Amino acid sequence: ELKVEQNPLFLSMQEGKNYTIYCNYSTTSDRLYWYRQDPGKSLESLFVLLSNGAVKQEGRLMASLDTKARLSTLHITAAVHDLSATYFCAVDGIGGGSEKLVFGKGTKLTVNP
Amino acid sequence: GAVVSQHPSRVICKSGTSVKIECRSLDFQATTMFWYRQFPKQSLMLMATSNEGSKATYEQGVEKDKFLINHASLTLSTLTVTSAHPEDSSFYICSAPHAGDTQYFGPGTRLTVL
Repeated sequence: ELKVEQNPLFLSMQEGKNYTIYCNYSTTSDRLYWYRQDPGKSLESLFVLLSNGAVKQEGRLMASLDTKARLSTLHITAAVHDLSATYFCAVDGIGGGSEKLVFGKGTKLTVNP
Repeated sequence: GAVVSQHPSRVICKSGTSVKIECRSLDFQATTMFWYRQFPKQSLMLMATSNEGSKATYEQGVEKDKFLINHASLTLSTLTVTSAHPEDSSFYICSAPHAGDTQYFGPGTRLTVL
């Protein structure tokens, strides 16, 4: 059974600081996703990582994937308050593009002024 | 980007009644859609896969007779929660894959069963 673990689950940081969220998964998978969720809202797609060594960046967020280590990271650079949200990683549960996603528990990020 | 809508966005019902939630892909066709459930302060859990033209497949522990799924067309899937009870209160989110490498999520339906 595929397990996806995120850490930390809660992260409180000051504006301007850098931090990394980690996502480990237990079995081989084709692809890894990062999503953002604001309170009371649905998911917003941030990144899709499709291959070993993939790195994608959007603004202050950068995601990477190491399929050998079964590890993805979401790095936050110079955090701002607007980044406060819950971030989820998700992995294709079966592989082969089944698109049945298994989610981590989420990391609730609070960026303080 | 692709858009997925859900209706209603919020519903309150009495215990024992049935509630239907619609999920539509607005600008693309989806032969497969997914239904997730999210309890407060928890992650998303996949409930079932909705397949156009065939029966839905349910995840382990999800009662297929309680959560009826119909994928009537290439743009519409419906989830009916039958005989709803307070423990079914949750945030229900659908998603549809598009362009081969990502999924688009609907805005969610918040169900409250009194």
